[in-house]
Amino acid sequence: NAGVMQNPRHLVRRRGQEARLRCSPMKGHSHVYWYRQLPEEGLKFMVYLQKENIIDESGMPKERFSAEFPKEGPSILRIQQVVRGDSAAYFCASSPRDRADEQYFGPGTRLTVT
Amino acid sequence: KQEVTQIPAALSVPEGENLVLNCSFTDSAIYNLQWFRQDPGKGLTSLLLIQSSQREQTSGRLNASLDKSSGRSTLYIAASQPGDSATYLCAVKNNDMRFGAGTRLTVKP
Repeated sequence: NAGVMQNPRHLVRRRGQEARLRCSPMKGHSHVYWYRQLPEEGLKFMVYLQKENIIDESGMPKERFSAEFPKEGPSILRIQQVVRGDSAAYFCASSPRDRADEQYFGPGTRLTVT
Repeated sequence: KQEVTQIPAALSVPEGENLVLNCSFTDSAIYNLQWFRQDPGKGLTSLLLIQSSQREQTSGRLNASLDKSSGRSTLYIAASQPGDSATYLCAVKNNDMRFGAGTRLTVKP
């Protein structure tokens, strides 16, 4: 059973470009969480999704950021018009149901904005 | 394989009490340990992050300690308030992040 997959592992974007981060949950998991980790800081929750439904987006910046988890395919975290402050590690986690204690984390995508 | 255990599973205290939550892990080769809070229906909120080279971190009424050699961490909450009621999770990071099952805290007014 493969773990949570994230790709790409490293992404470099110039200011103003778009970044798309993908997360494939573990098999059988229908809940996906996205977190951001700024340098030297802990994980900060961004958004919690079920398939085709956003459950909690209280941690998402109001502009430029969006997330989706379609019926088929991976969850996508999209950042439009990236700025240097978006440089961070973005982690995805999945769980089989609404149990944060059963979250399994992916390896993360490290985004660098130049 | 890293296993993370949290004791107690549930805790109920009257408002104003100081309390300690415990976390133990089996593999001491960790990069860091985090304490999270989860409110019902919400994602996780990171409370404190302790790097493997550190022994404790403090934020307001919260203090977390780390004893890597014994595989233990504690979260101390001073002067508890009803708003502290939530599930508290610890997570350790090796190659990935593993969570404990959490302690469900209820602070009664």
